[in-house]
Amino acid sequence: LAKTTQPISMDSYEGQEVNITCSHNNIATNDYITWYQQFPSQGPRFIIQGYKTKVTNEVASLFIPADRKSSTLSLPRVSLSDTAVYYCLVGDSSYKLIFGSGTRLLVRP
Amino acid sequence: EAGVAQSPRYKIIEKRQSVAFWCNPISGHATLYWYQQILGQGPKLLIQFQNNGVVDDSQLPKDRFSAERLKGVDSTLKIQPAKLEDSAVYLCASTNPSYEQYFGPGTRLTVT
Repeated sequence: LAKTTQPISMDSYEGQEVNITCSHNNIATNDYITWYQQFPSQGPRFIIQGYKTKVTNEVASLFIPADRKSSTLSLPRVSLSDTAVYYCLVGDSSYKLIFGSGTRLLVRP
Repeated sequence: EAGVAQSPRYKIIEKRQSVAFWCNPISGHATLYWYQQILGQGPKLLIQFQNNGVVDDSQLPKDRFSAERLKGVDSTLKIQPAKLEDSAVYLCASTNPSYEQYFGPGTRLTVT
């Protein structure tokens, strides 16, 4: 499974758009990209998943360029409650996911 | 739809004691995982089951950790004997056919 690299931490303010970029240079053809969110004292929560181009749901958007060596999670108009750790993962049909250290997002008033 | 259930939520034991954690995945999810999450780190996969068979247990410290998933539904993770470095949150997760993992609330283990 491809290793992922993402920033250790990010700061933002309420109402701003936050973009967290993840690199996965060794992504394989069959791999898909998934993002999870984790609040303190809770298990990770699935946010969004994609294979290529752009995916959007009610929570976030995921942008994946043509070479798929990176991906960007976009959170529109963040609020204080979006303060959490965000994990970028690459997985395949074996259903196995390897978590890195994630990006700690702090949203300030 | 009910989520992944885990119990207990908290456990405090002394080193060299034994402890067991229980997980009930979402109904119909064939794949079940146990993760260990040490404070400040991402979850580390310990073992992955597909139905009642082990798919991957390469990261499971087999000298002290064991896990089973009888009948392909519930699962238990056991530590015997526990060490101080086993203090962590133990997360159980299950996966739907779209590869989305759903996590339980975890069991926070403190070994003193």
